Amino acid sequence: DAKTTQPPSMDCAEGRAANLPCNHSTISGNEYVYWYRQIHSQGPQYIIHGLKNNETNEMASLIITEDRKSSTLILPHATLRDTAVYYCIVMPSGNTGKLIFGQGTTLQVKP
Amino acid sequence: NAGVTQTPKFRVLKTGQSMTLLCAQDMNHEYMYWYRQDPGMGLRLIHYSVGEGTTAKGEVPDGYNVSRLKKQNFLLGLESAAPSQTSVYFCAFSTLNFLDRGSYTFGSGTRLTVV
Repeated sequence: DAKTTQPPSMDCAEGRAANLPCNHSTISGNEYVYWYRQIHSQGPQYIIHGLKNNETNEMASLIITEDRKSSTLILPHATLRDTAVYYCIVMPSGNTGKLIFGQGTTLQVKP
Repeated sequence: NAGVTQTPKFRVLKTGQSMTLLCAQDMNHEYMYWYRQDPGMGLRLIHYSVGEGTTAKGEVPDGYNVSRLKKQNFLLGLESAAPSQTSVYFCAFSTLNFLDRGSYTFGSGTRLTVV
């Protein structure tokens, strides 16, 4: 499975957009990019996933570069409740895929 | 977290004691997983199951056993607990057709301390 690289920590002002980068330069053609977050030792929460097209849902947007070697998770209007550890995970398609977590990015949203 | 129940929520064990953690889901999903999370670390996969009666090893399986006798339940056993197994344990399930939903659902965790 491809590895991912994320910055260990980021800050964001409340109400502003939070842009969380992820590098996955060894991603292969059948691997999806998933984003999860973990708020203060709760169980991780699914946010969004994509293959090559940009995706948007009620929580966030996912921008994947054309070469698929990196992606950005965008929280359009960050709130204090978005303070969490954000994990970018690459996983192959198919029923044998397993979520393997890295260190993630700790996002601190400040008033 | 909706759909996944972990018991117990907290436990303190003495070194050498045994215990079983229970994960129960009410959604009839095929795939279930056990993870552990040490302080300041990401989650690591212990064991997983792709269906009733089947189990497989994850990243850190040593010291643990699992069973999936019923589809709804995934049990994680510690036969002889060690202080290194002090951790928070998370159970999860995923849908069979996860390419469409793409999501795992996690339980709220079991906080285990081995003294």
